[in-house]
Amino acid sequence: DGGITQSPKYLFRKEGQNVTLSCEQNLNHDAMYWYRQDPGQGLRLIYYSQIVNDFQKGDIAEGYSVSREKKESFPLTVTSAQKNPTAFYLCASMGGEKLFFGSGTQLSVL
Amino acid sequence: GENVEQHPSTLSVQEGDSAVIKCTYSDSASNYFPWYKQELGKRPQLIIDIRSNVGEKKDQRIAVTLNKTAKHFSLHITETQPEDSAVYFCAASKAGGGNKLTFGTGTQLKVEL
Repeated sequence: DGGITQSPKYLFRKEGQNVTLSCEQNLNHDAMYWYRQDPGQGLRLIYYSQIVNDFQKGDIAEGYSVSREKKESFPLTVTSAQKNPTAFYLCASMGGEKLFFGSGTQLSVL
Repeated sequence: GENVEQHPSTLSVQEGDSAVIKCTYSDSASNYFPWYKQELGKRPQLIIDIRSNVGEKKDQRIAVTLNKTAKHFSLHITETQPEDSAVYFCAASKAGGGNKLTFGTGTQLKVEL
């Protein structure tokens, strides 16, 4: 189903804690993306990677970090510097200008 | 950078009526305009897209129109059905822009029986 797997589905973060969201794809796509979805604000780009070992900041990168050590994997870390992390996080990969999304991770603060 | 505005934020129609969602973009270099549908609790999925060298594209009950001069594009859904109820997002990107899609803020469409 879709070829993009995100885990976990739900995640809770404590104050001062870093948490990592997993994203794996088996579509052999070079480009991968992380979006944050808040009610009424659409999808906002956090980070993206066009190729292994390279990534760029999106529009709201502060408080987040990523890595792209393998083509299949693009994990997102929400650091303690992100003061308002509660949101729905969507990972995607791109094939021929079309985005294929994962099923998302809902992150909440305890 | 690119800015995409989308209206309305919510839209309620009767089953069988038509629905229209409108978006404007700011970067005249944008040349690719997809629409995504997100049903409740599910991932967004591409439903239709259009490139800047085309003015209109249709796929069964959905169509997209593009006015490059005015920098706006619209999604048209005819003969709406309850399963059309979802959040719809427009987006824009340009060649050489790092394959980045800039999304609108979404429209919650409700089709009432």
